Amino acid sequence: QSVLTQPPSASGTPGQRVTISCSGSSSNIGSNTVNWYQQLPGTAPKLLIYSNNQRPSGVPDRFSGSKSGTSASLAISGLQSEDEADYYCAAWDDSLNVWVFGGGTKLTVL
Amino acid sequence: EVQLVESGGGLVQPGGSLRLSCAASGFTFSSYDMHWVRQATGKGLEWVSAIGTAGDTYYPGSVKGRFTISRENAKNSLYLQMNSLRAGDTAVYYCARQMMGSSYDGPYDAFDIWGQGTMVTVSS
Repeated sequence: QSVLTQPPSASGTPGQRVTISCSGSSSNIGSNTVNWYQQLPGTAPKLLIYSNNQRPSGVPDRFSGSKSGTSASLAISGLQSEDEADYYCAAWDDSLNVWVFGGGTKLTVL
Repeated sequence: EVQLVESGGGLVQPGGSLRLSCAASGFTFSSYDMHWVRQATGKGLEWVSAIGTAGDTYYPGSVKGRFTISRENAKNSLYLQMNSLRAGDTAVYYCARQMMGSSYDGPYDAFDIWGQGTMVTVSS
Protein backbone atom coordinates (compact mmCIF):
# COMPACT_ATOMS: atom_id res chain seq x y z
CA GLN A 1 0.00 0.00 0.00
CA SER A 2 1.66 3.22 -1.18
CA VAL A 3 1.48 6.41 0.90
CA LEU A 4 0.52 8.38 -2.21
CA THR A 5 -2.50 7.08 -4.11
CA GLN A 6 -2.61 6.93 -7.89
CA PRO A 7 -5.02 5.13 -10.22
CA PRO A 8 -3.34 1.93 -11.46
CA SER A 9 -4.19 2.65 -15.09
CA ALA A 10 -5.18 5.38 -17.51
CA SER A 11 -5.71 5.45 -21.24
CA GLY A 12 -6.37 7.74 -24.15
CA THR A 13 -6.23 7.97 -27.91
CA PRO A 14 -3.60 9.93 -29.84
CA GLY A 15 -4.19 13.66 -29.58
CA GLN A 16 -6.35 13.39 -26.48
CA ARG A 17 -5.68 14.97 -23.10
CA VAL A 18 -5.35 12.68 -20.09
CA THR A 19 -4.84 13.43 -16.43
CA ILE A 20 -3.37 11.29 -13.67
CA SER A 21 -4.18 12.06 -10.05
CA CYS A 22 -2.05 11.65 -6.94
CA SER A 23 -3.61 11.85 -3.49
CA GLY A 24 -1.64 12.27 -0.29
CA SER A 25 -1.92 13.90 3.11
CA SER A 26 -0.93 17.01 5.03
CA SER A 27 2.46 15.54 5.89
CA ASN A 28 3.56 14.97 2.30
CA ILE A 29 1.78 16.69 -0.59
CA GLY A 30 0.16 19.16 1.78
CA SER A 31 3.55 20.32 3.07
CA ASN A 32 6.00 19.75 0.24
CA THR A 33 6.33 20.03 -3.50
CA VAL A 34 5.42 17.14 -5.78
CA ASN A 35 7.56 15.53 -8.45
CA TRP A 36 6.49 13.28 -11.31
CA TYR A 37 8.59 10.59 -12.96
CA GLN A 38 8.08 8.83 -16.27
CA GLN A 39 9.32 5.27 -16.70
CA LEU A 40 9.30 3.93 -20.23
CA PRO A 41 9.21 0.13 -20.54
CA GLY A 42 12.49 -1.46 -19.51
CA THR A 43 14.19 1.81 -18.62
CA ALA A 44 15.08 3.84 -15.53
CA PRO A 45 12.70 6.52 -14.25
CA LYS A 46 13.11 10.02 -15.69
CA LEU A 47 12.21 13.28 -13.98
CA LEU A 48 9.19 14.72 -15.78
CA ILE A 49 7.85 17.45 -13.46
CA TYR A 50 9.43 18.96 -10.33
CA SER A 51 8.22 21.51 -7.80
CA ASN A 52 4.57 20.76 -8.66
CA ASN A 53 4.60 22.28 -12.14
CA GLN A 54 8.14 22.84 -13.42
CA ARG A 55 9.48 21.00 -16.44
CA PRO A 56 13.16 20.06 -16.70
CA SER A 57 14.90 21.12 -19.86
CA GLY A 58 13.90 18.88 -22.74
CA VAL A 59 10.47 17.86 -21.42
CA PRO A 60 7.76 18.89 -23.91
CA ASP A 61 5.22 21.45 -22.77
CA ARG A 62 2.52 18.84 -23.46
CA PHE A 63 3.28 17.71 -19.91
CA SER A 64 2.03 19.86 -17.05
CA GLY A 65 1.60 19.46 -13.32
CA SER A 66 -0.57 21.04 -10.67
CA LYS A 67 -1.18 20.77 -6.95
CA SER A 68 -4.06 21.71 -4.71
CA GLY A 69 -4.12 20.98 -1.01
CA THR A 70 -3.16 17.33 -0.50
CA SER A 71 -3.59 16.26 -4.12
CA ALA A 72 -1.62 16.69 -7.32
CA SER A 73 -2.25 15.99 -10.99
CA LEU A 74 -0.24 15.32 -14.09
CA ALA A 75 -1.80 16.32 -17.40
CA ILE A 76 -0.64 15.15 -20.81
CA SER A 77 -2.11 16.93 -23.81
CA GLY A 78 -1.77 15.91 -27.45
CA LEU A 79 -1.20 12.31 -26.39
CA GLN A 80 1.40 10.43 -28.44
CA SER A 81 2.21 6.75 -28.70
CA GLU A 82 5.63 7.35 -27.13
CA ASP A 83 3.91 8.60 -23.96
CA GLU A 84 2.94 5.02 -23.14
CA ALA A 85 4.75 4.48 -19.84
CA ASP A 86 4.39 4.23 -16.08
CA TYR A 87 4.05 7.52 -14.22
CA TYR A 88 4.90 8.02 -10.54
CA CYS A 89 4.27 10.94 -8.22
CA ALA A 90 6.60 11.55 -5.27
CA ALA A 91 7.03 13.86 -2.30
CA TRP A 92 8.91 14.07 0.98
CA ASP A 93 6.87 13.03 4.01
CA ASP A 94 7.52 15.18 7.09
CA SER A 95 5.97 12.66 9.51
CA LEU A 96 7.59 9.49 8.20
CA ASN A 97 10.87 11.27 7.27
CA VAL A 98 11.05 9.36 4.02
CA TRP A 99 10.54 10.00 0.35
CA VAL A 100 7.18 8.53 -0.63
CA PHE A 101 6.02 7.47 -4.08
CA GLY A 102 2.66 6.72 -5.57
CA GLY A 103 2.03 3.18 -6.69
CA GLY A 104 2.35 4.24 -10.32
CA THR A 105 -0.11 4.68 -13.17
CA LYS A 106 0.28 2.68 -16.36
CA LEU A 107 -0.71 4.88 -19.30
CA THR A 108 -1.90 3.11 -22.43
CA VAL A 109 -2.24 4.93 -25.73
CA LEU A 110 -5.06 3.19 -27.60
CA GLU B 1 27.58 13.85 -20.32
CA VAL B 2 26.02 13.62 -16.87
CA GLN B 3 25.84 9.95 -16.01
CA LEU B 4 25.38 7.46 -13.19
CA VAL B 5 26.37 3.81 -13.66
CA GLU B 6 25.52 1.17 -11.05
CA SER B 7 27.28 -2.15 -10.58
CA GLY B 8 27.59 -4.93 -8.04
CA GLY B 9 24.19 -6.58 -8.29
CA GLY B 10 23.75 -10.33 -8.40
CA LEU B 11 22.32 -13.40 -6.73
CA VAL B 12 22.79 -13.74 -2.98
CA GLN B 13 21.37 -16.13 -0.40
CA PRO B 14 19.03 -14.94 2.35
CA GLY B 15 21.08 -13.53 5.21
CA GLY B 16 23.93 -12.69 2.89
CA SER B 17 25.58 -9.40 1.98
CA LEU B 18 26.18 -7.42 -1.18
CA ARG B 19 27.82 -4.07 -1.95
CA LEU B 20 26.48 -1.92 -4.76
CA SER B 21 28.48 0.84 -6.41
CA CYS B 22 27.45 3.85 -8.45
CA ALA B 23 30.00 5.70 -10.58
CA ALA B 24 29.20 9.33 -11.30
CA SER B 25 30.55 11.41 -14.17
CA GLY B 26 29.90 14.71 -15.90
CA PHE B 27 29.14 16.74 -12.76
CA THR B 28 30.69 17.78 -9.44
CA PHE B 29 29.72 14.70 -7.44
CA SER B 30 30.73 16.14 -4.07
CA SER B 31 28.19 18.96 -4.41
CA TYR B 32 25.11 16.76 -4.55
CA ASP B 33 23.07 14.68 -2.13
CA MET B 34 22.70 11.18 -3.51
CA HIS B 35 20.08 8.44 -3.13
CA TRP B 36 19.32 4.79 -3.72
CA VAL B 37 15.83 3.84 -4.93
CA ARG B 38 14.68 0.29 -5.62
CA GLN B 39 11.95 -1.34 -7.67
CA ALA B 40 10.78 -4.92 -7.32
CA THR B 41 9.74 -6.57 -10.57
CA GLY B 42 6.35 -5.29 -11.63
CA LYS B 43 6.11 -3.02 -8.58
CA GLY B 44 6.52 0.66 -7.78
CA LEU B 45 9.47 2.73 -6.63
CA GLU B 46 10.73 2.62 -3.04
CA TRP B 47 13.26 5.03 -1.56
CA VAL B 48 16.09 3.12 0.14
CA SER B 49 18.64 5.61 1.43
CA ALA B 50 20.21 9.04 1.08
CA ILE B 51 23.54 10.67 1.85
CA GLY B 52 24.19 14.37 2.09
CA THR B 53 27.21 16.27 0.95
CA ALA B 54 28.48 16.29 4.54
CA GLY B 55 28.10 12.52 4.84
CA ASP B 56 24.85 12.59 6.82
CA THR B 57 22.75 9.50 6.08
CA TYR B 58 19.04 8.68 6.04
CA TYR B 59 17.08 5.42 5.78
CA PRO B 60 13.50 4.20 5.88
CA GLY B 61 12.60 1.73 8.60
CA SER B 62 12.53 -1.20 6.16
CA VAL B 63 16.33 -1.14 5.70
CA LYS B 64 17.62 0.79 8.73
CA GLY B 65 20.26 -1.20 10.57
CA ARG B 66 20.82 -3.51 7.60
CA PHE B 67 21.87 -1.14 4.79
CA THR B 68 24.65 1.46 4.87
CA ILE B 69 25.05 4.19 2.29
CA SER B 70 28.43 5.83 1.82
CA ARG B 71 30.29 7.97 -0.67
CA GLU B 72 33.88 8.51 -1.80
CA ASN B 73 34.07 11.92 -3.41
CA ALA B 74 37.65 11.45 -4.59
CA LYS B 75 36.43 8.55 -6.70
CA ASN B 76 33.08 10.11 -7.65
CA SER B 77 31.45 7.02 -6.23
CA LEU B 78 28.39 6.11 -4.18
CA TYR B 79 27.98 2.81 -2.38
CA LEU B 80 25.28 0.74 -0.71
CA GLN B 81 26.37 -2.00 1.67
CA MET B 82 23.48 -4.41 2.15
CA ASN B 83 23.59 -6.95 4.98
CA SER B 84 21.11 -9.49 6.33
CA LEU B 85 19.41 -9.58 2.97
CA ARG B 86 15.87 -10.92 2.67
CA ALA B 87 13.75 -12.13 -0.23
CA GLY B 88 11.82 -8.85 0.02
CA ASP B 89 14.99 -6.94 -0.89
CA THR B 90 14.93 -8.45 -4.39
CA ALA B 91 14.70 -5.54 -6.80
CA VAL B 92 16.45 -3.36 -9.30
CA TYR B 93 18.47 -0.77 -7.39
CA TYR B 94 18.90 2.68 -8.90
CA CYS B 95 21.21 5.44 -7.74
CA ALA B 96 19.89 8.95 -8.24
CA ARG B 97 21.16 12.50 -7.92
CA GLN B 98 19.16 15.03 -5.94
CA MET B 99 18.74 18.52 -7.30
CA MET B 100 17.57 21.35 -5.07
CA GLY B 101 16.38 24.89 -5.55
CA SER B 102 13.68 27.40 -4.87
CA SER B 103 10.69 28.37 -6.98
CA TYR B 104 7.47 30.33 -6.64
CA ASP B 105 6.07 27.37 -4.69
CA GLY B 106 8.99 27.43 -2.27
CA PRO B 107 11.99 25.13 -1.84
CA TYR B 108 12.07 21.99 -3.93
CA ASP B 109 14.15 18.92 -4.46
CA ALA B 110 13.87 16.04 -6.89
CA PHE B 111 15.84 13.14 -8.32
CA ASP B 112 16.98 14.57 -11.63
CA ILE B 113 19.53 12.01 -12.80
CA TRP B 114 19.11 8.22 -12.51
CA GLY B 115 21.40 5.34 -13.30
CA GLN B 116 20.32 2.37 -15.41
CA GLY B 117 19.92 0.15 -12.34
CA THR B 118 21.49 -3.07 -11.08
CA MET B 119 19.49 -6.20 -10.24
CA VAL B 120 19.72 -7.78 -6.80
CA THR B 121 18.15 -11.21 -6.30
CA VAL B 122 17.93 -12.71 -2.82
CA SER B 123 17.13 -16.39 -3.09
CA SER B 124 18.36 -19.78 -1.92
